[in-house]
Amino acid sequence: SQTIHQWPATLVQPVGSPLSLECTVEGTSNPNLYWYRQAAGRGLQLLFYSVGIGQISSEVPQNLSASRPQDRQFILSSKKLLLSDSGFYLCAWSRRGGGADTQYFGPGTRLTVL
Amino acid sequence: AQKVTQAQTEISVVEKEDVTLDCVYETRDTTYYLFWYKQPPSGELVFLIRRNSFDEQNEISGRYSWNFQKSTSSFNFTITASQVVDSAVYFCALSSRSNTGNQFYFGTGTSLTVIP
Repeated sequence: SQTIHQWPATLVQPVGSPLSLECTVEGTSNPNLYWYRQAAGRGLQLLFYSVGIGQISSEVPQNLSASRPQDRQFILSSKKLLLSDSGFYLCAWSRRGGGADTQYFGPGTRLTVL
Repeated sequence: AQKVTQAQTEISVVEKEDVTLDCVYETRDTTYYLFWYKQPPSGELVFLIRRNSFDEQNEISGRYSWNFQKSTSSFNFTITASQVVDSAVYFCALSSRSNTGNQFYFGTGTSLTVIP
């Protein structure tokens, strides 16, 4: 069966500090990978998605970047955090291919920027 | 344009009551997919159901049932005999084959509180 991991689970960082969140998927190959942010108020905002190694699409211009160094690894980064980067970050995966396959979500990382 | 509307922001029910969560969607695609997810207080989104646009049969899974009506562009979710463990935020989502990278369009969620 497939599992998706995210770490850290919680993070408190000062404004201006760097950020690195990691997401890994097990039990599948060539997945599509996604990063979402959920700010207070519950809405889910798609930040990045990737259909393959080194292939990143950005949905929202912002202070964040993403990378996919390996097939089942997806990293969310920032060089300098802003207060507005606080939120709940969710990674998700889906099977690659045509059609709208189900996205399966990780446990999330709760980020607080002070 | 693709859009999902969950007009109910918050709902409170007493345990054992039935509750229906509304979802209305907009799309110009003829082939599309609808989803429901549950987000308990722990935060992780849990997949509940996937429905394609060609299958309008209602589905029942235990206390959960889904009513898909293309005529009204709705995909409503009913919990029968609600329990405290059903307290969560529920999201409806839409996707289609035309979406690059399998992008989902999520509604803003409905927060359900079941009072014991």
